[in-house]
Amino acid sequence: QKEVEQNSGPLSVPEGAIASLNCTYSDRGSQSFFWYRQYSGKSPELIMSIYSNGDKEDGRFTAQLNKASQYVSLLIRDSQPSDSATYLCAVKAGTASKLTFGTGTRLQVTL
Amino acid sequence: DTAVSQTPKYLVTQMGNDKSIKCEQNLGHDTMYWYKQDSKKFLKIMFSYNNKELIINETVPNRFSPKSPDKAHLNLHINSLELGDSAVYFCASSQMDRGSNSPLHFGNGTRLTVT
Repeated sequence: QKEVEQNSGPLSVPEGAIASLNCTYSDRGSQSFFWYRQYSGKSPELIMSIYSNGDKEDGRFTAQLNKASQYVSLLIRDSQPSDSATYLCAVKAGTASKLTFGTGTRLQVTL
Repeated sequence: DTAVSQTPKYLVTQMGNDKSIKCEQNLGHDTMYWYKQDSKKFLKIMFSYNNKELIINETVPNRFSPKSPDKAHLNLHINSLELGDSAVYFCASSQMDRGSNSPLHFGNGTRLTVT
C-alpha cells in the first residue's frame, strides 16, 4: 500500500466549475497535510496546508481533513484554465519526519 | 531575491560519468532536502540535512553522496551515472524548529539526462 495515494487523473472540469481533488494516507500518526501545485516543467509550490480536522479556506481553495478516515481533499471553486496543473498531496508525521508526496492528480480546466 | 537556487538547471551526461548538483538557500532555514522526481512525476525524498547533520537517508544507491558544508548549502554528487538516474532533482528547504507545520520551499530543479 502506498503511503499517500491520489488518483492520477486527468481530472477534467469545465471553467467555472468546482474541482475536487482527493488524497488518502496510511500513517495514522500524520500531523501535517499540504497541497502543492506543480505546473509542467516547474517546481512544486505550496498552495494550502491543514493540520486539524475540518475545513480551511483560502480564496478559491478549500482544504478538508478527516483524520479518522485518513483523508484529505482540496476543492477549487470557480476553476480557471490557469488552475490546470498537477496537484500533489503531501503528508508529514512529525517535526523531524519526512514529507511524503502522493503521485499527484493532473487537473485540466477546459474552456 | 530570497529563494532556493540550484545549479545547473539542465545536465546532460554519459553513463559512467560523475556529476554534481549544487543548492543554496537564503531563507535562513535549518533543514535542506534532495528529492527525485521521475518520469511519472512521483516526488521521492532522497536525503535531508538539519544544521549540516544527515537526518534522513532513504534507500538510495551509495553512488549518491550528499554534502552540506553549512546549513545554507546542500550539494549532491553522483558517481558512475546510470540511465535510470535520469530524472528531475529538486532541492528544498524548511525550518524544522517551527515544528511539523513548516512547509518545503523548492528550488527550480535540475533535469538530469543520462545517455
